[in-house]
Amino acid sequence: GAVVSQHPSRVICKSGTSVKIECRSLDFQATTMFWYRQFPKQSLMLMATSNEGSKATYEQGVEKDKFLINHASLTLSTLTVTSAHPEDSSFYICSARSLGQAQYFGAGTRLSVL
Amino acid sequence: GQQVMQIPQYQHVQEGEDFTTYCNSSTTLSNIQWYKQRPGGHPVFLIQLVKSGEVKKQKRLTFQFGEAKKNSSLHITATQTTDVGTYFCAGPNAGGTSYGKLTFGQGTILTVHP
Repeated sequence: GAVVSQHPSRVICKSGTSVKIECRSLDFQATTMFWYRQFPKQSLMLMATSNEGSKATYEQGVEKDKFLINHASLTLSTLTVTSAHPEDSSFYICSARSLGQAQYFGAGTRLSVL
Repeated sequence: GQQVMQIPQYQHVQEGEDFTTYCNSSTTLSNIQWYKQRPGGHPVFLIQLVKSGEVKKQKRLTFQFGEAKKNSSLHITATQTTDVGTYFCAGPNAGGTSYGKLTFGQGTILTVHP
């Protein structure tokens, strides 16, 4: 149980384009999902908390107009990187919280902006 | 704000040797969680400890939660090459509006030489 699917796994795009990443909880309902960014050999940096039916809560320093989050249903949250630039290249990972405190992570999306 | 410190940052061992990573929180935690991330992969939930002084075992892995619920450790006995990866501890953020947010330690990158 507690499977989280994240798509796509890898994106290569031109500077200025927008990229949408989907995160789905496959076998449970997740009222809360989280979006992280991870740089090589570093820890997970929380970007925002996504709550179903309400606006996402962004961490300090994260531009909400740059990283649009939509949590349309109990099983789907999306992160859109708008007008992506090379400095946005990174590994983006979503997680979903089940009934307990543990978080279950998607496989991650490696974004490369040329 | 809450900080979770983890040491060491890197650990290189010969296969068969033991390994321990330590986690310290600046605040008392309601629980502590451990995750493993294989190279190129995503974090996978290993275990959650809740009680003061709790010790849990998973085969060769032993997890311990301190009496004061501010520190924890993960010990691996007789490491194998399959143990390679980054081990993260994480503690829930305090506060009623935290929505289950976790603060992750920096992680310990374990390398096992055959």
